[in-house]
Amino acid sequence: EAQVTQNPRYLITVTGKKLTVTCSQNMNHEYMSWYRQDPGLGLRQIYYSMNVEVTDKGDVPEGYKVSRKEKRNFPLILESPSPNQTSLYFCASSLVGAGTLNSPLHFGNGTRLTVT
Amino acid sequence: GNSVTQMEGPVTLSEEAFLTINCTYTATGYPSLFWYVQYPGEGLQLLLKATKADDKGSNKGFEATYRKETTSFHLEKGSVQVSDSAVYFCALSERGSTLGRLYFGRGTQLTVWP
Repeated sequence: EAQVTQNPRYLITVTGKKLTVTCSQNMNHEYMSWYRQDPGLGLRQIYYSMNVEVTDKGDVPEGYKVSRKEKRNFPLILESPSPNQTSLYFCASSLVGAGTLNSPLHFGNGTRLTVT
Repeated sequence: GNSVTQMEGPVTLSEEAFLTINCTYTATGYPSLFWYVQYPGEGLQLLLKATKADDKGSNKGFEATYRKETTSFHLEKGSVQVSDSAVYFCALSERGSTLGRLYFGRGTQLTVWP
C-alpha cells in the first residue's frame, strides 16, 4: 500500500532532550516536506526537500533540522526541544514538487509532540 | 507574497444542508489552487484542484471554481452528510520555480449533525 509513515504517533519529552521523528514513503517520491499544525494557525511548512541531498527552509525552520540522505526517508530532528515546539507534525511527499496538479501531496497520519 | 485566507470556523450544519466555505488568495503569479480535507486523527488528503481561471474542480459532491477576477476558490456542496465532518484547508502553489512551496489557509472545521 502506498503510504507515508511517521513514527512515533505520540511523543512526550522534556525540554532540551534531543529527539527525531522519522518519516518514510514507499512511492519513490522525489519531494518531501514537514509541516506543523497549530490551532488557529493552520499548517506551516518547516522544511522541504526537492530530492536527495537537497533541502530548503520553509516558513518556520528555527529549532529544527532535517536530512535527506536517501529518497525514501526524511527525518525531522529537534536538537534541543522547547515547549513552543509542542505541536502536531505532518510529513508529506509528492512525486515532483508540492503543488503540481498531477503530483498531489500525500500526508502521514501525524506525530503529536508535547515538550514539557 | 503568497497567502490564503479562509472563513473562520467552526461551521455547524444539519445533514442535507448546503455548504459554502470561502477561500480567497493573494499570489504574485498565476497559482494553482487546491482544497485538502483532514478527517479526525488523519493526515490531509487532496479533495479537489484547479489550474486556471474558470476551471471547476470537483470530487465527492464538492465543487470549487477558480475565480481570477475575485481571487477566490470557494468550496461548495449541495447536501452535506455526517461523514463530511472534517477540517478543510484551501491551498495554493505558484507555478514555475517555487514548486517546493504550498501555502495553506488556517483551515475550517465542519461539523454535520444528523
